[in-house]
Amino acid sequence: QQQVKQSPQSLIVQKGGISIINCAYENTAFDYFPWYQQFPGKGPALLIAIRPDVSEKKEGRFTISFNKSAKQFSLHIMDSQPGDSATYFCAAGYTGANSKLTFGKGITLSVRP
Amino acid sequence: DARVTQTPRHKVTEMGQEVTMRCQPILGHNTVFWYRQTMMQGLELLAYFRNRAPLDDSGMPKDRFSAEMPDATLATLKIQPSEPRDSAVYFCASGRRDREYPYEQYFGPGTRLTVT
Repeated sequence: QQQVKQSPQSLIVQKGGISIINCAYENTAFDYFPWYQQFPGKGPALLIAIRPDVSEKKEGRFTISFNKSAKQFSLHIMDSQPGDSATYFCAAGYTGANSKLTFGKGITLSVRP
Repeated sequence: DARVTQTPRHKVTEMGQEVTMRCQPILGHNTVFWYRQTMMQGLELLAYFRNRAPLDDSGMPKDRFSAEMPDATLATLKIQPSEPRDSAVYFCASGRRDREYPYEQYFGPGTRLTVT
């Protein structure tokens, strides 16, 4: 049973375009929703995270939108750049899980020059 | 610049051999996670520790995998005997469970294991 599902599985975007990656979760106890970015040969790195008490969080070109009723959250990358080409993982955690995060399978984003 | 370190970065071994992977968490972090990454399964949590005590190792094949924290600066993951299906990238991550940062995890660069 996959508790965190990402879509699409892969994404190709032109430079300057908007990249949108979606994530759906099942466990309503989740209260922390991060996105991780992974470059080839590297470990995942925290990109941006949100708590369910806000519907949107923005950091530079990266925005998380959160829809609690739909149990979905998404990552928007504005003005996508070739350097954004990476694998993106959404994850979810909750207080009772002892800091454990449940990760989605990841999606590969390619930004074409 | 504090970071998680892992050794070795690459390991090629023959089936049946013992493999030991090491991780040095970020100083001051009290939680350590071991993950396995494959194309098919994505990131799988194998085990994690808080204050050196194992909290959950339900994701780990018990018969061949073992994880320990001999001290606060070292976490180990052992596979004995190794099998070709263990080929994957193994990541260690550390974090600190306090009120302000209960969930943030910092990943190491990984150990790429190939079992032939």
